[in-house]
Amino acid sequence: QVHLVQSGAEVKKPGASVKVSCKASGYTFTGYAIHWVRQAPGQRLEWMGWITADNDNTKYSQKFQDRVTITRDTSASTAYMELSSLRSEDTAVYYCARDLFGRSLDYWGQGTLVTVSS
Amino acid sequence: QSALTQPASVSGSPGQSITISCTGTSSDVGGSNSVSWYQQRPGKAPELMIYDVSDRPSGVSNRFSGSKSGNTASLTISGLQAEDEADYYCSSCTTTSTWVFGGGTKLTVL
Repeated sequence: QVHLVQSGAEVKKPGASVKVSCKASGYTFTGYAIHWVRQAPGQRLEWMGWITADNDNTKYSQKFQDRVTITRDTSASTAYMELSSLRSEDTAVYYCARDLFGRSLDYWGQGTLVTVSS
Repeated sequence: QSALTQPASVSGSPGQSITISCTGTSSDVGGSNSVSWYQQRPGKAPELMIYDVSDRPSGVSNRFSGSKSGNTASLTISGLQAEDEADYYCSSCTTTSTWVFGGGTKLTVL
């Protein structure tokens, strides 16, 4: 079955960068796009961006456009999300999710807590 | 891209039906069939409940149904059960191939 397993929790200082990984299994990694979504404590889900399946095109939310980079390593069936210039408001759980051909996000990783604190 | 508008909370008694609305614009909900709904329990990742406005993934109870009219999508849960208590989020692909989520709705089963 489909599994998305994310890297462990991170603690970062303001101004630093964080890179979260998402290892996929149980399906053909190159056949599906991957989204990244975050959720600050007690807050709503917030879409950050996605990377397409075929040509590695990316699309980002305007809110994160200048600070986020989503990549993938097809040889490792792993997607990555890097967020730079971290501030306290970036403290959140970050999720990766598989894209169901532009119709929904059908499988989700377990989430990675990123804490930004001085 | 502004968040889609959902009621902050809804409640119902076991056996009743409830409906959660999700209002967007012609650039997202109104202009897309890629409207989906997610259930999220405390401390857990979201789980897909409805996709393509009204389709259910295998394994999701047929008590969950979705619909859309204009810029507003809706999730209806019939025969409410205690296990349905959770947060529910709508989402839509936009006309610029970005995605947007709603503000979330807390469902309480009385």
